[in-house]
Amino acid sequence: DGGITQSPKYLFRKEGQNVTLSCEQNLNHDAMYWYRQDPGQGLRLIYYSQIVNDFQKGDIAEGYSVSREKKESFPLTVTSAQKNPTAFYLCASSIVGINAEAFFGQGTRLTVV
Amino acid sequence: SQQGEEDPQALSIQEGENATMNCSYKTSINNLQWYRQNSGRGLVHLILIRSNEREKHSGRLRVTLDTSKKSSSLLITASRAADTASYFCATDRGSGNTPLVFGKGTRLSVIA
Repeated sequence: DGGITQSPKYLFRKEGQNVTLSCEQNLNHDAMYWYRQDPGQGLRLIYYSQIVNDFQKGDIAEGYSVSREKKESFPLTVTSAQKNPTAFYLCASSIVGINAEAFFGQGTRLTVV
Repeated sequence: SQQGEEDPQALSIQEGENATMNCSYKTSINNLQWYRQNSGRGLVHLILIRSNEREKHSGRLRVTLDTSKKSSSLLITASRAADTASYFCATDRGSGNTPLVFGKGTRLSVIA
């Protein structure tokens, strides 16, 4: 089955800890994205990558870091510098193109305890 | 930055009725897309309309685009309880291969 997989589904973080969210896709997509969603809100772009070993900051990159060492994988690290990390995190992928449809994972819900 | 804004924020209708959601955006676009999100899940792509198209159909979905007013509407006909979800419009940023920008969504409740 082709698709995009996020893990874990639920994640709990203590104050001051870094945590890493996994995102893997087998759709052969060049582009991958991380969005953050807060309750009742839309999606805000954290980081995106359109090619291996390259990525760009989105609208709310502060306190987050990413890597793109493989085409299939785009992990997101939520660092201790992120002041309000409790949110629903969504990873997506697409081809690189003007009329590209995004394919989303099922999300990771991160809670700070 | 949020390019699209959906209206209304929430909509509650009876099964069998039609549901209409609107989206307004700010800058020029290459296309506009609609996505659906069930509670606590990822988004699923519904339909894409290009900037040179005015109307598009897919099953019970009808999307219109008015680039002069920078607005789009999504019509779901003969709604079902299973259509209960949040619906988001998404646009590109108008230049090149840019990530999608999403609105805040419309929460649709279809009551059986």
